[in-house]
Amino acid sequence: AQSVTQLDSHVSVSEGTPVLLRCNYSSSYSPSLFWYVQHPNKGLQLLLKYTSAATLVKGINGFEAEFKKSETSFHLTKPSAHMSDAAEYFCVVTGGDTGFQKLVFGTGTRLLVSP
Amino acid sequence: DVKVTQSSRYLVKRTGEKVFLECVQDMDHENMFWYRQDPGLGLRLIYFSYDVKMKEKGDIPEGYSVSREKKERFSLILESASTNQTSMYLCASSRAGEQYFGPGTRLTVT
Repeated sequence: AQSVTQLDSHVSVSEGTPVLLRCNYSSSYSPSLFWYVQHPNKGLQLLLKYTSAATLVKGINGFEAEFKKSETSFHLTKPSAHMSDAAEYFCVVTGGDTGFQKLVFGTGTRLLVSP
Repeated sequence: DVKVTQSSRYLVKRTGEKVFLECVQDMDHENMFWYRQDPGLGLRLIYFSYDVKMKEKGDIPEGYSVSREKKERFSLILESASTNQTSMYLCASSRAGEQYFGPGTRLTVT
């Protein structure tokens, strides 16, 4: 079965410093992978997605993620954090034996950004 | 612009009540989903539907049912609400993998 592991439940950074949110996945097939963001009291918004094209995926708001098959990882990065990036981030896998329409969510990483 | 709406942002119900959560999408998507979100557990799939009147159980369907009579509307039903169903409920729709989410309904069962 597909699964994702988000390695950190909380990440704290200072404004202007790099962001790294880690995600490892497990899949028997070539997966599609997503990162979603949820700001307080808001719905989930798609940040970026990987669907077997380029391994380095650029998303909205300066975020990007790199698909590394050998490491089964899909870490989310941003060169310089902004206060507005404070939110909860979810790594998501789909495809393969769960079917392409069914998403499997990680448990989330809360990003805290201090001035 | 893509839009998924949910009937209530906040809802308080009593144990044993029948509860209806409504979701409407305006994108003509075939697939619709109901999730619940709990701290430390991420989102867990309750039910999904890939066409009108078609439904499939997700990972945690116990205590829930769904209805999809029209393509744009997907309802989640709690037949007899219990306190362990206090949670945030999120609806989503999709056509080609990417899912679009509503703002969520925070349900409290007392």
